[in-house]
Parts: sequence; structure tokens; C-alpha cells
Amino acid sequence: NAGVTQTPKFQVLKTGQSMTLQCAQDMNHNSMYWYRQDPGMGLRLIYYSASEGTTDKGEVPNGYNVSRLNKREFSLRLESAAPSQTSVYFCASSSLNNQPQHFGDGTRLSIL
Amino acid sequence: TQLLEQSPQFLSIQEGENLTVYCNSSSVFSSLQWYRQEPGEGPVLLVTVVTGGEVKKLKRLTFQFGDARKDSSLHITAAQPGDTGLYLCAGARWNAGNMLTFGGGTRLMVKP
Repeated sequence: NAGVTQTPKFQVLKTGQSMTLQCAQDMNHNSMYWYRQDPGMGLRLIYYSASEGTTDKGEVPNGYNVSRLNKREFSLRLESAAPSQTSVYFCASSSLNNQPQHFGDGTRLSIL
Repeated sequence: TQLLEQSPQFLSIQEGENLTVYCNSSSVFSSLQWYRQEPGEGPVLLVTVVTGGEVKKLKRLTFQFGDARKDSSLHITAAQPGDTGLYLCAGARWNAGNMLTFGGGTRLMVKP
């Protein structure tokens, strides 16, 4: 039972570098999400995709871009990493927007 | 100020004690979900409450949705070390595309 798989699990970047976080789900879910989690802030939505072919901004989209490659995969790209983007990033999926979400185990990203 | 305020932020208790965690807002939610997150993992859904005044029980955990659908509580009876973790509430709002908004979380430690 893979569920939601995120890669990589850990990454250290230098300021200004770019990278793409990968996410794949095998539950045939329509909706996928990217969150960041910072101490005391809970989970904040970066971008989401309600269905294949659509993406929308969440609460904190600045500095990020996303691609819904197909129904299974939803990637998050940092074009020019900044120290303020140091965080734990979680990908999640659900059958519909307001249904329970299934989360991956996160990517721990440090930007120096 | 977060849309969903959780209290307390931190709680350290002895095994066998009872506790209540609160999730409050001035907004009305169509549904509210509770998740538990362990270190190094993503959040895992515990329960969804949908109807105002609804009470759901999951073994020693009791969840209640406020009559006005603006708040919720989680009560744990006879806490055990295995209950240790981060508890997150998340609400869905009709006027926000039913997207989930997460509270800041309550970090619970149960000492043997």
C-alpha cells in the first residue's frame, strides 16, 4: 500500500538554486495538494489541483510553481530558493476537495 | 491570527490522565476533520464530523462538533504514551471551495 509517495525525503539547497519536489498517488484520487509545515503554523496550503488539468493558488503560493502531470502526479517547483522556504513540505490527495486527505511522509528542505 | 485556533499548543501529562484539546473559529465550517501526526510522518485522519452537535467516539477519543459548526473538541480518556503526537484540526468552508484550513496543532506528550 504505497498511498502517497514523495521524493526526495531530504534536501539541502543553496539560496538561488532550483529544484522540483515530486509526488505520486496510487489511489485514483482527483484532488492533490501541496502544503508546507512550519513550527506552530500547522499546515499551510501552497497550491492545489482539484482535478487533472487544473491548478489553483492556496494560501502561500509566492515563490512556487506546480504541475499536475497526470492524475497520479503533482510536482512542486522552487525556481530560486530562499532561506524563508526552509520547511517540511507535504503532498496530499483526496477523492474530492472536502474529503479526507491522505498525506505523504514529507520532504525536509533546508535552504542555506 | 489563524482562522482555526487550537489550544493548548503544548500539553504534557502523565499516563492515565484525561485531557481536552480545543479547536475554535469565528467561521462556520461545512465539516471538520481531526488528524494525528507522528514525528517524521504525514498527518493521518482520525475522524470527520459533519453535523452541528455531532459526537463521535474512537475508543478512548471523543470528538464533538459545536452546535454552530464553528468549533470542535477532542477529549482523550486515560491517556497512554501511544497517544503522544501532534493533533491537528482542519475545517472545510463552503465559501472557500470546500478547501481545508488547518489549525496550528496541539503537541501532546504522555509520560509513562
